[in-house]
Amino acid sequence: DQQVKQNSPSLSVQEGRISILNCDYTNSMFDYFLWYKKYPAEGPTFLISISSIKDKNEDGRFTVFLNKSAKHLSLHIVPSQPGDSAVYFCAAAPLETSGSRLTFGEGTQLTVNP
Amino acid sequence: EAGVVQSPRYKIIEKKQPVAFWCNPISGHNTLYWYLQNLGQGPELLIRYENEEAVDDSQLPKDRFSAERLKGVDSTLKIQPAELGDSAVYLCASSSDRDTDTQYFGPGTRLTVL
Repeated sequence: DQQVKQNSPSLSVQEGRISILNCDYTNSMFDYFLWYKKYPAEGPTFLISISSIKDKNEDGRFTVFLNKSAKHLSLHIVPSQPGDSAVYFCAAAPLETSGSRLTFGEGTQLTVNP
Repeated sequence: EAGVVQSPRYKIIEKKQPVAFWCNPISGHNTLYWYLQNLGQGPELLIRYENEEAVDDSQLPKDRFSAERLKGVDSTLKIQPAELGDSAVYLCASSSDRDTDTQYFGPGTRLTVL
């Protein structure tokens, strides 16, 4: 039972344009969400997070949007840069676990073309 | 600040052989995690330690997998005997008490069972 799902295995975007990565979840107990970025041969790196009391969190070029009623979140990268090319994982957790019990999605490979 | 260190980075063994992975977390991080990542999937939690105590090992296949974190610092994950299906990347992560939201991942150990 895949509780966190990233339906797009890959996404290709032109440099300077917006990248939108999507994530859906099924578990109503999830109320804390994170995005991790992973380069080849490295471990995942924390990117940005959001709790369910918000619907948007922004950090520089990265913005995460949460639609709790639809159980959907998305990561927007604007403008996209070639160095953003990586696998992006969505993760979710019940808030009381303070992010220590993460359930990850399958990942989306983002390729930003120069 | 040094990141999470894992060794070996790669390991190839024959089925039914034992194998062990080692992790050194970021200095001062009390919480340590072991994850399994299959190809094309996100990381899946195997076990979480708070200092020396395994506080969440519900996903650890205890018939063949074991882990320890003596002295609450380094940790070892062992598989005995290994099966073909154990081929995967084994990731270690750590987090601090002051920022339990953010897990820092090591580069992982890629295990191939022949």
